[in-house]
Amino acid sequence: GQSLEQPSEVTAVEGAIVQINCTYQTSGFYGLSWYQQHDGGAPTFLSYNALDGLEETGRFSSFLSRSDSYGYLLLQELQMKDSASYFCAVYLAPRGSTLGRLYFGRGTQLTVWP
Amino acid sequence: NAGVTQTPKFRILKIGQSMTLQCTQDMNHNYMYWYRQDPGMGLKLIYYSVGAGITDKGEVPNGYNVSRSTTEDFPLRLELAAPSQTSVYFCASTSGGETQYFGPGTRLLVL
Repeated sequence: GQSLEQPSEVTAVEGAIVQINCTYQTSGFYGLSWYQQHDGGAPTFLSYNALDGLEETGRFSSFLSRSDSYGYLLLQELQMKDSASYFCAVYLAPRGSTLGRLYFGRGTQLTVWP
Repeated sequence: NAGVTQTPKFRILKIGQSMTLQCTQDMNHNYMYWYRQDPGMGLKLIYYSVGAGITDKGEVPNGYNVSRSTTEDFPLRLELAAPSQTSVYFCASTSGGETQYFGPGTRLLVL
């Protein structure tokens, strides 16, 4: 089976940096994705790591270590609008495969205080 | 582009009733997915499709059925609604797999 572990809640203040960790145990792992979901909204894609290392997109960065089955999402210069749930999700098949599917963690609720 | 659209936005069903949740995408994506999200939980895959005429079960398919007659549409059918199917249902699509685009969701309450 598949399992992902991420903290249920994280709090921080505006302007701070926060790291949300994700560890996974899966079969057929090909990559790690991160999604953001505001209350009542749809999940939106943030990042994807297929290879070890850091991917940076503006204030957000994502890291993957395949040997440690571990990844994290780093949010810098936090803003109030970053208050949301963040989900890590493992991608269980290579691009273009008929088996392409995501398996989601339970999510981390980030609260940013002024 | 409208992206992924879902109807209805909200529905109340009585136990034993049936309904179809509609999902349409205008991005010409081959891959489409149905998820359910219970309060405080992640998304669980119900069914997915890799192209017109091809569907497969996800983690929690019991009580649901799907069809994929066109690239654009991927309806989800609930035949005999049960309280355990109270949830928020999201449809998603992608061209390659790792980046999925989600619809706004359908909130379903079964009483």
